[in-house]
Amino acid sequence: ILNVEQSPQSLHVQEGDSTNFTCSFPSSNFYALHWYRWETAKSPEALFVMTLNGDEKKKGRISATLNTKEGYSYLYIKGSQPEDSATYLCAFIGFGNEKLTFGTGTRLTIIP
Amino acid sequence: EPEVTQTPSHQVTQMGQEVILRCVPISNHLYFYWYRQILGQKVEFLVSFYNNEISEKSEIFDDQFSVERPDGSNFTLKIRSTKLEDSAMYFCASRSAGNSPLHFGNGTRLTVT
Repeated sequence: ILNVEQSPQSLHVQEGDSTNFTCSFPSSNFYALHWYRWETAKSPEALFVMTLNGDEKKKGRISATLNTKEGYSYLYIKGSQPEDSATYLCAFIGFGNEKLTFGTGTRLTIIP
Repeated sequence: EPEVTQTPSHQVTQMGQEVILRCVPISNHLYFYWYRQILGQKVEFLVSFYNNEISEKSEIFDDQFSVERPDGSNFTLKIRSTKLEDSAMYFCASRSAGNSPLHFGNGTRLTVT
């Protein structure tokens, strides 16, 4: 059974503050790590697909880093806005597999 | 932008009945998936489908579950005899080759009474 863990489980952040959270995954047999944003009453939406150790990806105020040797990825949000409120999911793909194994998610609430 | 569509959005059924959840993946995608989320729990993998056959399935996907891609556009999940614990949000997803991300449908909420 693959262990993909996310922390914290939930987070309340003041509007304008920056924040980050973690996804940890098996460091062996790594193929790719995905990040998704899941807003209430919508379907999960892809943010990043990360494949190389040391990868850094950025989309507006959101960025992510990847460390495959130690098995973790960080997602950063700079200058949080109310529209950032969502659950953020990471998903691990092992080499030779097609399934994505999801973490438990971090539920982010931005306080206006 | 192309979307994955799922129908119905909500299905209520009695225990022991068969249900079919329907999905239309994005047309040029190659890999198709079903995931589910039981309320308050994590998103769980059920099955992946590639080249007209199941490529991976989880231990949840037992003999009561089956998938079909009958006509090159629809991708269905059938539960033969539903149990109370099958109540969940079922998501269909598809992706193209390589390291492409999943595109999810809006989900079908299945309630088994």
